[in-house]
Amino acid sequence: GAVVSQHPSRVICKSGTSVKIECRSLDFQATTMFWYRQFPKQSLMLMATSNEGSKATYEQGVEKDKFLINHASLTLSTLTVTSAHPEDSSFYICSARNRDRALGEQYFGPGTRLTVT
Amino acid sequence: KQEVTQIPAALSVPEGENLVLNCSFTDSAIYNLQWFRQDPGKGLTSLLLIQSSQREQTSGRLNASLDKSSGRSTLYIAASQPGDSATYLCAVNWTGNQFYFGTGTSLTVIP
Repeated sequence: GAVVSQHPSRVICKSGTSVKIECRSLDFQATTMFWYRQFPKQSLMLMATSNEGSKATYEQGVEKDKFLINHASLTLSTLTVTSAHPEDSSFYICSARNRDRALGEQYFGPGTRLTVT
Repeated sequence: KQEVTQIPAALSVPEGENLVLNCSFTDSAIYNLQWFRQDPGKGLTSLLLIQSSQREQTSGRLNASLDKSSGRSTLYIAASQPGDSATYLCAVNWTGNQFYFGTGTSLTVIP
């Protein structure tokens, strides 16, 4: 079955540093990937839509200069949290849409837990 | 505004009991709906995906139904087991793009 991986699975960083999270589709090509964020005891909220070869589309209230997204290939999207602060501590999950399958068929990664100290 | 609501927020049942989790959504013109399981501190496990044209999907002890006209979906779990304890998330896709998630139902199955 379709598999999406995320790396790292867990990261702890100091305030002010930047962290890069990778989302890979392992056995299919994804022209579109989605980045979600989940705060403790809350549901997942879409942060941005990542499109291969073009700029990402950010949801209202999400700072594009703080959350840099790069989707340089059909199997990899990266989310970089720049100058991270404790309030950025969250669970980040990506999903990838198979370009050869129907819309709405997405596969979710296992998530990355970011803790900023 | 597109919203997904799950009730109850938490549910505790004795082992062996059958149970139903509820999901309601605004705007019946959905693309598809998906139920997920999330264990504490973990990612999402997809349980069942129901396309707009379908009324239900079954996998083992799980059955998900979809009633678009009333904006509702239910997840039925038969013969619950302690290993079923987790948070269950309902997510709706209206456009084929992003999913909108409910806040989940935290299920505890007591041995």
